[in-house]
Amino acid sequence: AQSVTQLGSHVSVSEGALVLLRCNYSSSVPPYLFWYVQYPNQGLQLLLKYTSAATLVKGINGFEAEFKKSETSFHLTKPSAHMSDAAEYFCAVSRNSGNTPLVFGKGTRLSVIA
Amino acid sequence: DARVTQTPRHKVTEMGQEVTMRCQPILGHNTVFWYRQTMMQGLELLAYFRNRAPLDDSGMPKDRFSAEMPDATLATLKIQPSEPRDSAVYFCASGLFPGELFFGEGSRLTVL
Repeated sequence: AQSVTQLGSHVSVSEGALVLLRCNYSSSVPPYLFWYVQYPNQGLQLLLKYTSAATLVKGINGFEAEFKKSETSFHLTKPSAHMSDAAEYFCAVSRNSGNTPLVFGKGTRLSVIA
Repeated sequence: DARVTQTPRHKVTEMGQEVTMRCQPILGHNTVFWYRQTMMQGLELLAYFRNRAPLDDSGMPKDRFSAEMPDATLATLKIQPSEPRDSAVYFCASGLFPGELFFGEGSRLTVL
């Protein structure tokens, strides 16, 4: 079975500060890992995905994540937070990309303080 | 710009009424998923289809929920009878291996 744990249901950062959202996964097979963002009253939008190629994955809006097998982690980072980054962020795991269900974490709400 | 379309966006109904939510997946995608989002449970998989065949609906309460794909352009999720605990946002997503999943904007259901 696969599962995802997101540490911290709410993270607050100052504008311009580093954003770090934590995600640990559990998977019995090599995982595909994803970060999605959800803005209020909208659906989920893919930020980035890891599909067994490069361990450092760059996504949209300046976000990136690093796959660390030894730590079973896939933390999301952004060097400098912007007010527009305020949203809910979901980490997810699946067996492959686009064809099997995603198992989501509970989400982390990111607040950006001016 | 290809997108997953869900209707209705908002639905308020009374307990016991039938509710049908519809989803138009992106043309060419062969996999369709239904998720439910609540504050308490987060995002839960209800059912999914591949090439219109149901693969897994173990996340759905079978006595009241049903999911179908009458054709490649339409997926439906039906609740009969609805209950207040069904209040949630229901998301449809479609995908095509090895691409990403695309999510619709959701159908917000309130059962009074």
